[in-house]
Amino acid sequence: RKEVEQDPGPFNVPEGATVAFNCTYSNSASQSFFWYRQDCRKEPKLLMSVYSSGNEDGRFTAQLNRASQYISLLIRDSKLSDSATYLCVVNLFGGAGSYQLTFGKGTKLSVIP
Amino acid sequence: EAQVTQNPRYLITVTGKKLTVTCSQNMNHEYMSWYRQDPGLGLRQIYYSMNVEVTDKGDVPEGYKVSRKEKRNFPLILESPSPNQTSLYFCASSRGQGGSYNSPLHFGNGTRLTVT
Repeated sequence: RKEVEQDPGPFNVPEGATVAFNCTYSNSASQSFFWYRQDCRKEPKLLMSVYSSGNEDGRFTAQLNRASQYISLLIRDSKLSDSATYLCVVNLFGGAGSYQLTFGKGTKLSVIP
Repeated sequence: EAQVTQNPRYLITVTGKKLTVTCSQNMNHEYMSWYRQDPGLGLRQIYYSMNVEVTDKGDVPEGYKVSRKEKRNFPLILESPSPNQTSLYFCASSRGQGGSYNSPLHFGNGTRLTVT
């Protein structure tokens, strides 16, 4: 099983649509989770951290399901500017003194007019 | 402004000619890391450093060297570049385990390297 796995897409959605991505991770002891956004040929930028109880930032909602070992990102009312690749990042080994972030390969989103 | 600075942004070189890509951060971060990104392969970690004078291999360290003599700088060295090292490279930093396990990475703008 791959350590951090994402559906590569592409997801092609119309403006205004709601779209959701999932990301599965292999180690149940993983402690920290992030979603990054990457535009073509540019650096990844932090979109949001993912907290145990779930969290929301405007049109974006992140959730964690520890039992099934996945995190999700929901984007409501998609905008053209949301077109990008979304990277799932997991600190796989968790625990005190452990910091080793592993990236998924990314899910490509295209929002169409 | 808090940032991670990489130089150069673009570099074209020939096989075997040693080169260094610099990376500097002004956030007093303990953790720094280098990644390469290739189509279809995602971000792969080359080397990382938990603190000054502490470096470790990532997933794809062959053909690369790093050093961490100062907290702010983490240069990537290619002693004898080869065409298979043509890639997009990113440096990143974070508070790492010294902050909390929930410390996100901050990335530099990237270096696009072509080895002919």
